[in-house]
Amino acid sequence: NAGVTQTPKFQVLKTGQSMTLQCAQDMNHEYMSWYRQDPGMGLRLIHYSVGAGITDQGEVPNGYNVSRSTTEDFPLRLLSAAPSQTSVYFCASSASGGSTDTQYFGPGTRLTVL
Amino acid sequence: GDSVTQMEGPVTLSEEAFLTINCTYTATGYPSLFWYVQYPGEGLQLLLKATKADDKGSNKGFEATYRKETTSFHLEKGSVQVSDSAVYFCALRKKNSNYQLIWGAGTKLIIKP
Repeated sequence: NAGVTQTPKFQVLKTGQSMTLQCAQDMNHEYMSWYRQDPGMGLRLIHYSVGAGITDQGEVPNGYNVSRSTTEDFPLRLLSAAPSQTSVYFCASSASGGSTDTQYFGPGTRLTVL
Repeated sequence: GDSVTQMEGPVTLSEEAFLTINCTYTATGYPSLFWYVQYPGEGLQLLLKATKADDKGSNKGFEATYRKETTSFHLEKGSVQVSDSAVYFCALRKKNSNYQLIWGAGTKLIIKP
C-alpha cells in the first residue's frame, strides 16, 4: 500500500513551458485535491475532485487544469508556467468529503519557474 | 471569511521542555479542527483532530482541546524530543464545506538536544 504518490519530486521550468504533475493513490479514495504551499501562507487549494469524472475549482485555480479519468489518478497541468507558480505542490486524498475525514498527503513536488 | 491563525515561528525549545503552539480560528458554526505535522522533506500527515466543542484530540503525546468559547485549538506536549522537530499546521473544516480545509500558515518547531 503506497498511499499517495507524486512525481516528479523536483522540476525546473522556463516561463511559458507546460508540464503535468502526476498524483496517484491506491486507497480507493473518492476525494482528491491539489494544494500549493508557499512560505508563510499555509496551504491553498487549487482544484479538487469528488470522484472520477468530477472536478471543481478551489481557492487558486488560475493557470492550472485537472482531470479525473480514474479513481486512482489526478494529474495537475500547468498550461503556461509563470514565476508566480514557483511553489511546493501537494496532492491529497480522502475516503469522503466529510468534515471529520482525514486527508492523506503525497510527499510533494517542488517546482521552480525561471 | 473563515480563517486560522497560528503563532509565528520558529519556536526553539530544548529537549524535554513543555510545548504550546497557539491556534485560533474564525468560523461560523462548529467546524472540525485538525493539527497536521510536516517532517522535513515529507508531506503532511494528520497528528490529531477534534470534531466538536470540548473534545480533546491526542496522539504521540500531543494533545489539543477544542475550546469554543475562546475559538482556540492550542497544541501541547509535556516533554518534547528532537524527533518532534517539524512544521505544525492547524486547520479547520466546516460541515458542508465543499471539501475545503482552511489552513494556518504553519509553525516551525526546532528542538535542540
